[in-house]
Amino acid sequence: DSGVTQTPKHLITATGQRVTLRCSPRSGDLSVYWYQQSLDQGLQFLIQYYNGEERAKGNILERFSAQQFPDLHSELNLSSLELGDSALYFCASSSQGLREQYFGPGTRLTVT
Amino acid sequence: QKEVEQDPGPLSVPEGAIVSLNCTYSNSAFQYFMWYRQYSRKGPELLMYTYSSGNKEDGRFTAQVDKSSKYISLFIRDSQPSDSATYLCAMSVGSGGSNYKLTFGKGTLLTVNP
Repeated sequence: DSGVTQTPKHLITATGQRVTLRCSPRSGDLSVYWYQQSLDQGLQFLIQYYNGEERAKGNILERFSAQQFPDLHSELNLSSLELGDSALYFCASSSQGLREQYFGPGTRLTVT
Repeated sequence: QKEVEQDPGPLSVPEGAIVSLNCTYSNSAFQYFMWYRQYSRKGPELLMYTYSSGNKEDGRFTAQVDKSSKYISLFIRDSQPSDSATYLCAMSVGSGGSNYKLTFGKGTLLTVNP
């Protein structure tokens, strides 16, 4: 158990809908990262937050957004969902100044 | 050319074999190198972490980094059926900024047969 929690574990929704994925980092970790894993693209970095502020953006679509709250949990919002958004979404956290990232169990999103 | 290349396998070995997993990369700014193990439908689990070139050993696992060749390896000694998983290499640049994002290889699927 990495100490990173993610909810829900599974999400099935229809095209055009909006969903919110939630992540709680390890105790004391200020950085939260979101990744998307699909069969063809592998694990792709989406976005990083540090202590409530956005620090880096990767291959994140404009339909996707994220935020980190004062209690350090983070949410990833996916809107106008398309079939191609079906994937595993992982959250990871790290301690200040350290590179090692610890991953949560993921949320499996299925768009039908 | 992808930033990180990893042979997807699959790789099948008998129990007790020495396993060698490898990645190559093109971005010379990478200085932090990690290996993750991912069981089916689970989150990646950090196995090894190395900074810059050199070797690091932890139990049955040894990680090697050769920055001159842009090549990293993970060796598993005395492999066990419980080692059957997908192994992902990951890298991060060494800048002083706060962007610590990881760039991953696509993973190698390993099966250790009893």
